[in-house]
This record gives sequence, C-alpha cells and structure tokens, in this order.
Amino acid sequence: EVQLVESGGGLLKPGGSLRLSCAASGFFFSNAYMNWVRQAPGKGLEWIGRIKSNRDGGTTDCAAPVIDRFVISRDDSKNTLYLQTNSLKTDDTGVYYCAHSRGDGGFDWGQGTLVTVSS
Amino acid sequence: DIQMTQSPSTLSASVGDRVTITCRASQSINNCLAWYQQIPGKAPKLLIYKASNLESGVPSRFSGSGSGTEFTLTISSLQPDDFTTYYCQQCNTYSWTFGQGTKVEIK
Repeated sequence: EVQLVESGGGLLKPGGSLRLSCAASGFFFSNAYMNWVRQAPGKGLEWIGRIKSNRDGGTTDCAAPVIDRFVISRDDSKNTLYLQTNSLKTDDTGVYYCAHSRGDGGFDWGQGTLVTVSS
Repeated sequence: DIQMTQSPSTLSASVGDRVTITCRASQSINNCLAWYQQIPGKAPKLLIYKASNLESGVPSRFSGSGSGTEFTLTISSLQPDDFTTYYCQQCNTYSWTFGQGTKVEIK
C-alpha cells in the first residue's frame, strides 16, 4: 500500500523559509516521479512542481508562481521528497500535498501539511 | 501551459440524479486526464485515470469519457456521499494542471 506522510508545515512570517518533507513507502521510490500540489483555503488544487526519478535525470519542473522561490529535491536513500520554500508570501498559505505519479497518469496522495504565512 | 476549464463550477442535484461534469483542455491532451473527488479537509481521491479507466474500489456509478480536448465525468445515480467537489487534471505535458473544480451540492 502506498503511503505518503508530509511534515514540516507551520506558521511563519512573510519572507520566511520552510522545508517540507514527504516520507514515502509502499512503492519503489527511486523509480518514481514525485510532485507537490497545494491548496489555498477554500480554493482549488494547484500543481506546484515535479521531480523526475534520478534514472530519468532527476530534473524538476515547477509552476510559474513558485519557480524562482521553491526548490524540489529528493533523497532516494531515505525514500523522502522535499520542498524548500523561500521568500514566502501570504498567498503561499495552504495545505501542501505530496503526490506520487503513477504510470497511468493518476496521483497517489499524502494527507497534506498546513503552511500558514501571516504577519 | 495547458489550461483546464471545468463546467459547471457548481451543480445542484438530488439523490438519484444523473450528473455530468465537463472538463475542456486548451489543447489536445490525448487521453491523459484524471478525475478526483475531494471531501473537505481530506486529500483528493482518484476516481478515473486515462480519461475512462475506473480506479479500483471506486463505485461503478462513476464513469469517464472523452479524448483530445473534451472530457466528461458522469455519476449515474447520485448518492449522499457524492455531494462534494470534483477536479480534473491533465498529465500530457510537464505542467500537470488541474481544473478549477466543480462543487456538487444538494438541491
């Protein structure tokens, strides 16, 4: 069974930084493409970005609103995905989900971690 | 980036109704489309993948169809647990965008 457990969320002020983690199990993490998706309060789902498997180059693609501020990385030895968030804005407030890209285009999801950016 | 447009944004229906939600892509995405159900406070749940494939464990009253730029999610007979929000997502390009969501509410 696929399990994804996010951690690292919290309350911080604008301009701050935070690193989110996602511990994965139940699938071969090293071969997996992994994603981050966020959801602002009362709003829809927003894909933030993805990291390919290291076998496929380990490259990342990020959405325009975060491309200059967020960095996705992975540690295959720990089966863990990371999201480094920098220069946070109030608009970055929301639940951040880790998601595993299945080969059929669907996602498996974690339970999410809440990030609140407020002065 | 490919834009995904869902309609309607809100849908009012009754238990037992047949409902259809539409998702349109700004360019062809072949059949690379998934549908999710999200209950407030919970993570999204995969219903349909590759436009028309029912995820294991999902009730057969859910079905998906379409290809190219237009896709539909149909619920054949609404049940009380189905009154929540649904999202489409394209997976055809490097930017895997979501539709803005459709809330199914009780009439």
